[in-house]
Amino acid sequence: EAGVTQFPSHSVIEKGQTVTLRCDPISGHDNLYWYRRVMGKEIKFLLHFVKESKQDESGMPNNRFLAERTGGTYSTLKVQPAELEDSGVYFCASSQGRTPLFEQYFGPGTRLTVT
Amino acid sequence: RKEVEQDPGPFNVPEGATVAFNCTYSNSASQSFFWYRQDCRKEPKLLMSVYSSGNEDGRFTAQLNRASQYISLLIRDSKLSDSATYLCVVNRNTDKLIFGTGTRLQVFP
Repeated sequence: EAGVTQFPSHSVIEKGQTVTLRCDPISGHDNLYWYRRVMGKEIKFLLHFVKESKQDESGMPNNRFLAERTGGTYSTLKVQPAELEDSGVYFCASSQGRTPLFEQYFGPGTRLTVT
Repeated sequence: RKEVEQDPGPFNVPEGATVAFNCTYSNSASQSFFWYRQDCRKEPKLLMSVYSSGNEDGRFTAQLNRASQYISLLIRDSKLSDSATYLCVVNRNTDKLIFGTGTRLQVFP
C-alpha cells in the first residue's frame, strides 16, 4: 500500500513569491494533518482536515497560509507571500480515524527554503 | 517553556549498550503518549505508544509516570540501525500531536 506522498520534495523560492505544497494521503484516510518543523525547533501542528472540512486550524501561523482539501482527497498548502521565517520542513500526515486510537502516518515532507 | 522537553543529545553509545531517554511534559491534561523515531531527513514513524503500566516491544521499553509528568524510553542491546532521533510526543485528546525537539542517538561499532 502506498504511503503518504508529498510534492515537491524541495522548493526554493524568493521572499514574496507564492508556493503550493501538495499532500496525497493514504487511500481511504479521511483525516489529514499538516505539520511544520522550523530549523532547530520541534515539529508543530498546523491544521487537521476530516474529509474536506477543517477540523482544527489552530496552528496556522497567519493568513498567508491557506490549506484546502477539495473533494476530501489530496490537500494543498499555499503560502502567499512567502517570508524568510516560513523556511522549514512541511510534513503531511494521514490517519484512518481519530487520534489517539489511530496512528498518524507521516509523509517524507517538503523542504521549503525562502531566500 | 516548551510543552514537551527532551535532552537533545547526542547520545553516543557502542553497539550492545543500554541507553535511556527521558522526556517531561508540562500540561497535566495530556492523555496519550508516544515515542516516534525519525531518521535523518526522513519522516517521523511511530515507534511505540506509552501506557501507564509501562510496555515493552522487543528491545524497547517505555514507561510513563503521570505524577511526575515524565516519560522514558529504554533501548537494550543497541544496534547500529537504532541510530536516529527519538521524538517524545503527547496528545491531549484532540487530534493534534505535540512533539518534543527529539533526542539524537548515535550507535557506533
